[in-house]
Amino acid sequence: QSALTQPASVSGSPGQSITISCTGTSSDVGGYNYVSWYQQHPGKAPKLMIYEVSNRPSGVSNRFSGSKSGNTASLTISGLQAEDEADYYCSSYTSSSTLYVVFGGGTKLTVL
Amino acid sequence: QLQLQESGPGLVKPSETLSLTCTVSGGSISSSSYYWGWIRQPPGKGLEWIGSIYYSGSTYYNPSLKSRVTISVDTSKNQFSLKLSSVTAADTAVYYCARHMRYCSGGSCYSGAGDYWGQGTLVTVSS
Repeated sequence: QSALTQPASVSGSPGQSITISCTGTSSDVGGYNYVSWYQQHPGKAPKLMIYEVSNRPSGVSNRFSGSKSGNTASLTISGLQAEDEADYYCSSYTSSSTLYVVFGGGTKLTVL
Repeated sequence: QLQLQESGPGLVKPSETLSLTCTVSGGSISSSSYYWGWIRQPPGKGLEWIGSIYYSGSTYYNPSLKSRVTISVDTSKNQFSLKLSSVTAADTAVYYCARHMRYCSGGSCYSGAGDYWGQGTLVTVSS
């Protein structure tokens, strides 16, 4: 099973907004609203930022938002801050096998 | 506050079996609302889902690893475990355990986001 497709890197200046895309198929991103996004700083465990496409866990800044259109999900970070520099991964449930979870390849966000 | 902690050897020889345990504290593993999973990350690379288990013992594995993976649960100890057999250098990675949301509808159940993760443990495969 192929990983979801993310851009390898994105960048933005403090205060700007950036969007990271996550493209899958109708068997995963397009077929279910079980898309999630994780932030990972170097040497740390992934942290859940968005679940069920657009829901934020308690404690996550409202500068982070998620959406989906067709087979592509997106994570938008507004008002970029230096602390947002990290790797971001999308994930989705997929029906391509019995209860299977697939991750994207990850996107490195650089705050200029 | 829920906490997950991985434990096990940090060095495994090629062809041997990698064994890790995840201890859950601050909450019960016997909940109908969650799956408990293992995810790994090779150095400098992305995340890979290995498999998940429900507290009843039902297991779900990544097809690419299925022939070598066994995940088990011990509800009395609030732990779940991973065994990966016939390891090679390609299995060198940071191994994470995590709690995944479980959704059920119309007789089917689905795995959602991992909301709690362990800190991860590096396992190196080398002779």
